[in-house]
Amino acid sequence: EAQVTQNPRYLITVTGKKLTVTCSQNMNHEYMSWYRQDPGLGLRQIYYSMNVEVTDKGDVPEGYKVSRKEKRNFPLILESPSPNQTSLYFCASSLYEGGEAFFGQGTRLTVV
Amino acid sequence: AQTVTQSQPEMSVQEAETVTLSCTYDTSESDYYLFWYKQPPSRQMILVIRQEAYKQQNATENRFSVNFQKAAKSFSLKISDSQLGDAAMYFCAYRAPWGTGANSKLTFGKGITLSVRP
Repeated sequence: EAQVTQNPRYLITVTGKKLTVTCSQNMNHEYMSWYRQDPGLGLRQIYYSMNVEVTDKGDVPEGYKVSRKEKRNFPLILESPSPNQTSLYFCASSLYEGGEAFFGQGTRLTVV
Repeated sequence: AQTVTQSQPEMSVQEAETVTLSCTYDTSESDYYLFWYKQPPSRQMILVIRQEAYKQQNATENRFSVNFQKAAKSFSLKISDSQLGDAAMYFCAYRAPWGTGANSKLTFGKGITLSVRP
């Protein structure tokens, strides 16, 4: 089954404790992206990757890092989380320009 | 920069009736893609319908159809014969073509919460 898998689904952490949210897709997609969803703001792009070792900032990259060492994986790293990073996070992938974006199940992160 | 506007935060519809969700966008591109995504309480983002800007014909998917007005930069979603399972948040989204060199990201509106009355 074609899918994007994120882990964990829920995470509560403390300020400053490094964490990684994993994302993996089994569709051989080149393009992958991270979004955060906040009430009243919709989804906003954090980082994206057009292929292996090619990543760039989206609209709200501050406080986040990503890497793309393999085509299927695109982890999101918060090196020193802060409470304003409490949000719902989505990983998405797509095959070609304008193509449908397939989303992971979402990760609900709470930073206390 | 592209922007997507969903001006109605909430709407309600009677089961079996028809409802239209509004969306406007702003872009200087002539070729692009528009989407409607559904987010039920499970939080999963589900593609409802997609429209290529170069196609004049409005996209349809079963009970879901769009009214795409390119000159007016309007992209509304019509849900016919509304069902209880249609209750969700709906997001309108814009995507520039990859070939433009722009980040082919999805730009989302703020979403609209649709409730369905039995």
